[in-house]
Amino acid sequence: EAGVVQSPRYKIIEKKQPVAFWCNPISGHNTLYWYLQNLGQGPELLIRYENEEAVDDSQLPKDRFSAERLKGVDSTLKIQPAELGDSAVYLCASSLGVGGGYTDTQYFGPGTRLTVL
Amino acid sequence: GQQVMQIPQYQHVQEGEDFTTYCNSSTTLSNIQWYKQRPGGHPVFLIQLVKSGEVKKQKRLTFQFGEAKKNSSLHITATQTTDVGTYFCAGPGFYNNDMRFGAGTRLTVKP
Repeated sequence: EAGVVQSPRYKIIEKKQPVAFWCNPISGHNTLYWYLQNLGQGPELLIRYENEEAVDDSQLPKDRFSAERLKGVDSTLKIQPAELGDSAVYLCASSLGVGGGYTDTQYFGPGTRLTVL
Repeated sequence: GQQVMQIPQYQHVQEGEDFTTYCNSSTTLSNIQWYKQRPGGHPVFLIQLVKSGEVKKQKRLTFQFGEAKKNSSLHITATQTTDVGTYFCAGPGFYNNDMRFGAGTRLTVKP
């Protein structure tokens, strides 16, 4: 079974440029997450989707970040314009989304390492 | 909001020594999860604890959930070089699937 796929794996851009990350979750997983991970820190949730609905985007800096999951499968995360402080690893994860008050097991992708110069 | 704090931040051990990392929450948790992230890798799910006082074992790893469901620990017996990595605990935020990760404990093992 294929895991969570992310692309690109690495991205170097200059500040003020736009950048987009793509994620393909595990087949059949309804819930998709985007995390930001700074060096030496744990993942920080940016946004969570239940199918195509964003159910928690409270941590997403909406002035420059946007995300979409149009058909409830693949998702893209965009930053426009990028700032120096956005340099980090952007992780995508997915889970079954069993609901019923349970906490799912999350399966992480390899991440995209963004460097903003 | 709910936060989980982990200690220590770093731990360096000689191969064969034991290792323990602790996770503490300011609020009662419905459950707690543990993940391992190898250097250059991504977090990989290890286990989920749900019940008060629960203890689960995976080979040399022992996971505990406190009676008050506010703390948890991961203990590794006789560490090996394959145990190297960062161990994260995570607890749910407002929603059950919004996990809040601790800063992690980075384990290095000297052969």
